[in-house]
Amino acid sequence: KQEVTQIPAALSVPEGENLVLNCSFTDSAIYNLQWFRQDPGKGLTSLLLIQSSQREQTSGRLNASLDKSSGRSTLYIAASQPGDSATYLCAVRPGGFQKLVFGTGTRLLVSP
Amino acid sequence: DARVTQTPRDKVTEMGQEVTMRCQPILGHNTVFWYRQTMMQGLELLAYFRNRAPLDDSGMPKDRFSAEMPDATLATLKIQPSEPRDSAVYFCASGFFPLGRVGENEQFFGPGTRLTVL
Repeated sequence: KQEVTQIPAALSVPEGENLVLNCSFTDSAIYNLQWFRQDPGKGLTSLLLIQSSQREQTSGRLNASLDKSSGRSTLYIAASQPGDSATYLCAVRPGGFQKLVFGTGTRLLVSP
Repeated sequence: DARVTQTPRDKVTEMGQEVTMRCQPILGHNTVFWYRQTMMQGLELLAYFRNRAPLDDSGMPKDRFSAEMPDATLATLKIQPSEPRDSAVYFCASGFFPLGRVGENEQFFGPGTRLTVL
């Protein structure tokens, strides 16, 4: 059974810092991995999607990497801003399935 | 700007009452998912449909939950009778997953229905 873990569970940084969020999964047989952002009381916003054949994806100040063989992904946020404060979730699509298996999330607070 | 819509956004009900949540997927998407989010369990899949046919509902308590897609523009999740442990945020998501290329596409989430069962 696929399990997804995110470390740290919570992170507090001052504005301007670069930071890394970690995601690990137990079964490397995945189709893709998706990073989401969730604001309090809101739905999920897709940030980046990495296919299993890819190593990384970039969007603005965000860069996500994927090492499928070791079961790890990282989300790098450059020059963090208070508006980046949210919970970040990673999710994997196990091979043969269309559903997503979600991690536990990292709650990020960026202070001015 | 295509997006998944869900109604109601908030629902407070009493134990034993029937609850129906609705989702309108993005036009053209052929797969619809229902997820539930709680503090204890995080986000977990309840059921999903492809081309309106149920593919997997193993995450759903079948004695009280039912999910349907009456047509391509509407998915429903019903709880009857509701219990306090059903209190959670229920998310609908949709995506386009063409045959033979199931690995490629992402899911788009609705804003969720926050359900409170007293």
